[in-house]
Amino acid sequence: AQSVTQLGSHVSVSEGALVLLRCNYSSSVPPYLFWYVQYPNQGLQLLLKYTSAATLVKGINGFEAEFKKSETSFHLTKPSAHMSDAAEYFCAVQRSGGGADGLTFGKGTHLIIQP
Amino acid sequence: DAGITQSPRHKVTETGTPVTLRCHQTENHRYMYWYRQDPGHGLRLIHYSYGVKDTDKGEVSDGYSVSRSKTEDFLLTLESATSSQTSVYFCAIRRDSSSDTQYFGPGTRLTVL
Repeated sequence: AQSVTQLGSHVSVSEGALVLLRCNYSSSVPPYLFWYVQYPNQGLQLLLKYTSAATLVKGINGFEAEFKKSETSFHLTKPSAHMSDAAEYFCAVQRSGGGADGLTFGKGTHLIIQP
Repeated sequence: DAGITQSPRHKVTETGTPVTLRCHQTENHRYMYWYRQDPGHGLRLIHYSYGVKDTDKGEVSDGYSVSRSKTEDFLLTLESATSSQTSVYFCAIRRDSSSDTQYFGPGTRLTVL
């Protein structure tokens, strides 16, 4: 079984400030981890993914995340927030090792950018 | 763009009526998924398919059935819609690699009155 916990349903930062969105997972096997972004009334777009290669993963739009096995975390960061980053962000886990398994999602974090 | 379309994009129906949502892909991917998205719950897996006529249940499958008679189409049916099935439904596809990304369709907003 696997699960994902996203700390903070809403996070507010000022434009230009550091963005930090937290994700902790539990998985009985080594996981694959994903961050998706959802803009209003749209589908989900992949930001980045970890699939057991480099632990620091760089994604689109200046986002990156670091896989820390000892902390079972995969937090998403961006050095400088932009107004266009306002959206809903979802962390998701998938069991590694093959199979047709779907993703298990966290409940999402709504990122608010203050001007 | 992963070539995924969902139809209809919006639907309002009444309790007790059957509803079928369609997911169509243009790239012959093996794996297809149906999720529902509800406030405070993120996305939850309803059913998935790993080939024609091969399907399995996800986390929240009660009240839903699926069919996949062609590679490109994955249908989600609510046999008798209930108000608790008011949600946004997303289809996703994945290529054969186990580590590959799931790509999501634009979603269908379903309201059950």
